[in-house]
Amino acid sequence: GAVVSQHPSWVICKSGTSVKIECRSLDFQATTMFWYRQFPKQSLMLMATSNEGSKATYEQGVEKDKFLINHASLTLSTLTVTSAHPEDSSFYICSAKPADRGEGDTQYFGPGTRLTVL
Amino acid sequence: QKEVEQDPGPLSVPEGAIVSLNCTYSNSAFQYFMWYRQYSRKGPELLMYTYSSGNKEDGRFTAQVDKSSKYISLFIRDSQPSDSATYLCAMSPPGSARQLTFGSGTQLTVLP
Repeated sequence: GAVVSQHPSWVICKSGTSVKIECRSLDFQATTMFWYRQFPKQSLMLMATSNEGSKATYEQGVEKDKFLINHASLTLSTLTVTSAHPEDSSFYICSAKPADRGEGDTQYFGPGTRLTVL
Repeated sequence: QKEVEQDPGPLSVPEGAIVSLNCTYSNSAFQYFMWYRQYSRKGPELLMYTYSSGNKEDGRFTAQVDKSSKYISLFIRDSQPSDSATYLCAMSPPGSARQLTFGSGTQLTVLP
């Protein structure tokens, strides 16, 4: 149990285009999902916290107009990188926190999406 | 000073060795402690999860939490080449939507 999927796993796009990444919890409901960014050989950097049915909470320094987050259901959150530029190239990982389990604050991570902006 | 400190390594050990990975932290409010394993270009995988102080064992893995010293450890017995990965500690205070604070990760290589 506690499987999180991401789609796509790898995307290459031209500078100036927008890219949407989906994060799904496959076998549990998640009222809270998190979006992280990871550069090579570095740890995860939290970008935003996504709550179902409400606006996402962004970390300091993360542009909310550039990284649009939608959490439309208890099993799906999307991250859209708008007007992507080469400096947005990174590994984007989502995680989901089960809504109905007595496991404190455990998060389960998706496999990640590698974005390359040309 | 970072809230969570973790030696980035890299750490190389021979197959069969006992591996000790550690993190220290400064926030006494942390109550939940986790270890994740991350293979290259993959998402982190939850390995161990503990609440408050104490030990927890799962197969070849043992997690220890010493809240008085603000120190957590992950031990891997009989290490295998397949254990080669980056190990991330993570922790959080109580609360239904609390974010995790991660260590920087330790890169481990188990040599056959």
